[in-house]
Amino acid sequence: AQSVTQLGSHVSVSEGALVLLRCNYSSSVPPYLFWYVQYPNQGLQLLLKYTTGATLVKGINGFEAEFKKSETSFHLTKPSAHMSDAAEYFCAVTLDSSYKLIFGSGTRLLVRP
Amino acid sequence: DAGVIQSPRHEVTEMGQEVTLRCKPISGHDYLFWYRQTMMRGLELLIYFNNNVPIDDSGMPEDRFSAKMPNASFSTLKIQPSEPRDSAVYFCASSLPPPGQGAMGPSYGYTFGSGTRLTVV
Repeated sequence: AQSVTQLGSHVSVSEGALVLLRCNYSSSVPPYLFWYVQYPNQGLQLLLKYTTGATLVKGINGFEAEFKKSETSFHLTKPSAHMSDAAEYFCAVTLDSSYKLIFGSGTRLLVRP
Repeated sequence: DAGVIQSPRHEVTEMGQEVTLRCKPISGHDYLFWYRQTMMRGLELLIYFNNNVPIDDSGMPEDRFSAKMPNASFSTLKIQPSEPRDSAVYFCASSLPPPGQGAMGPSYGYTFGSGTRLTVV
């Protein structure tokens, strides 16, 4: 079975600091991996995705993530946090065969002035 | 494209009443998904459709829940009778096929609607 683990339900950073949100997955076959962002009272917006090819994936708003098969990880990073990055971030995984998108429990990012 | 459109945005109903949530997917997306989000359980996949046909409804919590997709541009999620524990935000999402299942593979990724916040009192 596949699952997604997000370490840390809350992460707090100062404006301008590095953002690192952790995601580990378990899957018996190569997965497709996603990061979504949810702003208050809104739906989920796709930040970036890994399906095949280059393991370093760049997304919107300056975010990027690297697929590391050996570590079964897909951590999300941004070099410099902005106040507008404050939101909840969800890592998700799916397999081509099942097509179900399984979400992690989410990490709320707080950005301090 | 206006994106995935859900209605209503908010619904407050009394226990025992029937509730119908509506979703219009993005034109051309042949996969449609219904999710429920709660603080306790996070995001749960309830059911998904491919070309208007239900593929997997294993996440539907009880027989009180039903979903239909009468055509490619409309889906409903119905709860009858509703209970307070059904209170949650319900999201609809649509998607093109994933890589390996069609020419649109590189565009793969769910697009979510803004959700319906359901409160059952």
